[in-house]
Amino acid sequence: TQLLEQSPQFLSIQEGENLTVYCNSSSVFSSLQWYRQEPGEGPVLLVTVVTGGEVKKLKRLTFQFGDARKDSSLHITAAQPGDTGLYLCAGARDDYKLSFGAGTTVTVRA
Amino acid sequence: NAGVTQTPKFQVLKTGQSMTLQCAQDMNHEYMSWYRQDPGMGLRLIHYSVGAGITDQGEVPNGYNVSRSTTEDFPLRLLSAAPSQTSVYFCASSRDFGTNRAGNTIYFGEGSWLTVV
Repeated sequence: TQLLEQSPQFLSIQEGENLTVYCNSSSVFSSLQWYRQEPGEGPVLLVTVVTGGEVKKLKRLTFQFGDARKDSSLHITAAQPGDTGLYLCAGARDDYKLSFGAGTTVTVRA
Repeated sequence: NAGVTQTPKFQVLKTGQSMTLQCAQDMNHEYMSWYRQDPGMGLRLIHYSVGAGITDQGEVPNGYNVSRSTTEDFPLRLLSAAPSQTSVYFCASSRDFGTNRAGNTIYFGEGSWLTVV
């Protein structure tokens, strides 16, 4: 059983559409991170959120940490083919260990 | 900038063989870790180290050993390979072990694809 549940598992949309990926848990995290991974490469950190209710924006990407620090969402506005990849959320319950979700595979069609 | 370097990129092992996956970072990072990634399961922590001479177990440590004799290197040893260890392995490093700090970026290597037959 995953500590962090991501949904949906797969998402295929047309260029220009919006999408949201969810990351949920019954556990409280001190911080939550979002990564993007492309085939044949390691995950690359997109953002870290540490405060309940925090919202961070990275160009067309908006990240939100739930008030109770148990969940998070990633919203992409006007998706582009370059946004295609595996999106992973990871939660920290102590300083040393990250627990990862299974990931959401996003495909943006031109 | 080398960052986190893993070798080999691909390896096929027979059941029962042993091998070492190498990981080196040139950023003088204190914290290093090993993960395995399997379809539908995300990344799972195998072992981690908070500095030279200090290692500890993660979520799935059985069948693996690590050591940290220098700040730069963190090899992962498979003692007696089993088909269940077929996976993609990632090494990661960060400046310190404060995963709850917004400014502490964790850098991943490009991965090592291991098949045990």
